Amino acid sequence: DAKTTQPPSMDCAEGRAANLPCNHSTISGNEYVYWYRQIHSQGPQYIIHGLKNNETNEMASLIITEDRKSSTLILPHATLRDTAVYYCIVRLLNGSSNTGKLIFGQGTTLQVKP
Amino acid sequence: DAGVIQSPRHEVTEMGQEVTLRCKPISGHNSLFWYRQTMMRGLELLIYFNNNVPIDDSGMPEDRFSAKMPNASFSTLKIQPSEPRDSAVYFCASSPGPDTDTQYFGPGTRLTVL
Repeated sequence: DAKTTQPPSMDCAEGRAANLPCNHSTISGNEYVYWYRQIHSQGPQYIIHGLKNNETNEMASLIITEDRKSSTLILPHATLRDTAVYYCIVRLLNGSSNTGKLIFGQGTTLQVKP
Repeated sequence: DAGVIQSPRHEVTEMGQEVTLRCKPISGHNSLFWYRQTMMRGLELLIYFNNNVPIDDSGMPEDRFSAKMPNASFSTLKIQPSEPRDSAVYFCASSPGPDTDTQYFGPGTRLTVL
């Protein structure tokens, strides 16, 4: 089972920041938070990941709370092409029987509107 | 880089027939993953290989499903005999290693079993 909780859907105006929340209250110290997205009819696409520090790359920023029980993915200037299902995933590290597994939940469907 | 290549992109077959899905991972990647996506169950990991060796096949639904990776550049997922409930989109993904490395997904094969 997925260890994350996300709202099923969100809307965002084009050009505005999209803030997608994720709860992972049972996360343990050796688990990363990963974000993927899936644009309609395509394979999932990696966005960003982090352990406890905030992270930023060319696609997005990831803000992880100090207690690590929740995080927010930020798309700073959403475009229509960012319309997709966004998955927040808690991923175990090496040495676990679940090593390598990405366990997808239902995700958040983000609709960017003009 | 061409990314992960899957073939065929679409497959329509009749119940009872054998189906073979194919995947070519990104060159240099040592881990390969097979996922299945349905509306009811979302994205599920079926099996993954590391250095051509199956590591975890606990997600394979039943004996009708089998996967092989004869070399580092090719993998197959076979369903024999196929059933209508096998209808889904099957994704292949690869990563440099199995643990915290990013997984890159192919475009998927949409399978319809009549």
